[in-house]
Order: sequence, then structure tokens, then C-alpha cells
Amino acid sequence: AQSVTQLGSHVSVSEGALVLLRCNYSSSVPPYLFWYVQYPNQGLQLLLKYTSAATLVKGINGFEAEFKKSETSFHLTKPSAHMSDAAEYFCAVSGGGSNYKLTFGKGTLLTVNP
Amino acid sequence: NAGVTQTPKFRVLKTGQSMTLLCAQDMNHEYMYWYRQDPGMGLRLIHYSVGEGTTAKGEVPDGYNVSRLKKQNFLLGLESAAPSQTSVYFCASSYGNRGPNTGELFFGEGSRLTVL
Repeated sequence: AQSVTQLGSHVSVSEGALVLLRCNYSSSVPPYLFWYVQYPNQGLQLLLKYTSAATLVKGINGFEAEFKKSETSFHLTKPSAHMSDAAEYFCAVSGGGSNYKLTFGKGTLLTVNP
Repeated sequence: NAGVTQTPKFRVLKTGQSMTLLCAQDMNHEYMYWYRQDPGMGLRLIHYSVGEGTTAKGEVPDGYNVSRLKKQNFLLGLESAAPSQTSVYFCASSYGNRGPNTGELFFGEGSRLTVL
């Protein structure tokens, strides 16, 4: 069984400030972990993914995430927020291997204030 | 390259009516999925398919049926719509467990369904 918990349904930051979106996972097998972003009235698109290679993963638009097995975490960060980063962010987990179904967290809405 | 295309994008139904949502992908993906998105609930898997002619239940399958007669298409049907099925439905596809894109899902833009 696998699950994802995103801490904070809504995060608000100022433009230029650090973005930190938290994700903790549970998986009975080595996980694959993903962050997706959803802009208003659009589908989800992949930001970055961890598939058992480097623990620090870099994605698009300056985002990165670090896989920490001891903390079962995969938090998403960006050093400096931009207005265009305002969106909903979803963390997801799959079991890798033959387990190709993703389980999503409930999402975190990021607001960027000018 | 269209990716994943969903039709229709919007639909209003009355309770008890039936309808079908169509998903088409042009990436030759083996796996396809239907999710529903509700406020504060994230995305929940309804049904999925690991290849042409196969379907399987996800987390919330009740009230829905699916078919995958062709590799590129995945249909989601509601036989008797209920207000609880008001939601935004997303189709996704993937290569599954092969290659560098393992596990990565490609999403359509969503279909917004309202059941009155």
C-alpha cells in the first residue's frame, strides 16, 4: 500500500521568497516519487520525479526536491518565487516496478503575493 | 502532437442520464487511466487499463464503467448519473513500467461534469 500526505492545503509566499511545499510518503516498496503542477483550468504536468537515482532532483522552472528515506519525505523547493508559480501542486507516489499506479496527495495551493 | 485529448470538455446532465467521456492519446502508450478531481480530495483513480482490451478498478470505481477497445482510446461511462458524480475528470496515459519515463503520467485538460 502507498499513500502521500501533503502538509498544508494552502501556502502563501511573497514574490522572491523561498517556496517550500511539504510531502511525506508511505510505501511498502522502494518508491517512485513525483511532483505535478496544475495551473487554473488545465491538466497536470510533471515538474520532477525521483526514480532511485540521485536523491536531489531538479525539475522545470527552477524547482527541486530532495528524497530523504529516513524522513520518508520528498519536499519541493524553489529559492525565489515568481508570480507565475501560483498554481496547485500535487505530490504522488508509485511503487515502481510493476506498480505503475500513482497515488496523489490532496494538493497544495501556492499563492504568490507581489 | 496532440498528446492526450478529452471530449467533451464540459457537460451538464440530469440525474439518471447516461453519458460517455472519450479519451484519445497519440503517444502509443500502453497504460491509460481515469481520475476524478474534487476540491480538497486530490485526484482519485477510477479505473485504469494496462493494454488494449484490459481494464481494472481503481480506488473509486462504483457508478462508472470503462472500455479500451483500441489502444489509443479509453472510454469512461456513467450509466445513471448522480449528483455525487459532479466532478472534473482527467484522463492520463503512460508507458507504464518501461523506459526512462517509468511512472510518468501525461494528462488531458479535463472534462467538467455537472449532474443536476
